[in-house]
Amino acid sequence: DAKTTQPTSMDCAEGRAANLPCNHSTISGNEYVYWYRQIHSQGPQYIIHGLKNNETNEMASLIITEDRKSSTLILPHATLRDTAVYYCIVRVSYGNKLVFGAGTILRVKS
Amino acid sequence: DAGVIQSPRHEVTEMGQEVTLRCKPISGHDYLFWYRQTMMRGLELLIYFNNNVPIDDSGMPEDRFSAKMPNASFSTLKIQPSEPRDSAVYFCASSSGPLSTDTQYFGPGTRLTVL
Repeated sequence: DAKTTQPTSMDCAEGRAANLPCNHSTISGNEYVYWYRQIHSQGPQYIIHGLKNNETNEMASLIITEDRKSSTLILPHATLRDTAVYYCIVRVSYGNKLVFGAGTILRVKS
Repeated sequence: DAGVIQSPRHEVTEMGQEVTLRCKPISGHDYLFWYRQTMMRGLELLIYFNNNVPIDDSGMPEDRFSAKMPNASFSTLKIQPSEPRDSAVYFCASSSGPLSTDTQYFGPGTRLTVL
């Protein structure tokens, strides 16, 4: 699976959009970009995933660059409850291994 | 649905004792995963099952660790004998298939402390 690079931490004001970047310059054509988050003392929670098109669900939006070498997770209106570690993972189209990196600590502040 | 259920939520034991962690996957999910999370190593996959059969155990640290899935609704992770370096949070997850569209759902974890 391709390696990902994320900033160690980010701050965001409550109510503002949180934009979390991820670099995956060695991603292969059959690898998906996945985002999970882990709120303190809880198990990881699935957020969103995509292959090459931008995706949106009730939690977030995922913007993938045209060359697929990077992506951005957008939380449109961050709340204090969005404070968590956010993991960007690339995963082959058929395979069950999720390889978690260090992730980005997002702190939403009032 | 109740989600993935793990027990116990917290376990404190002494070095050398046997520890058994339990997991009930989401009903209908054919894949079950065991992960371990520590400050030093982060979140790492230990083993996963498909239809109750172990598929990949390459992440199991050593022979002291064993995992079983006797039926579709129950799995155990056993450590015997336990050591202080086994202290970690152990997560169980399940999914309905192997495709990238098959999301893994995680349980709340078991926090293990070995004294």
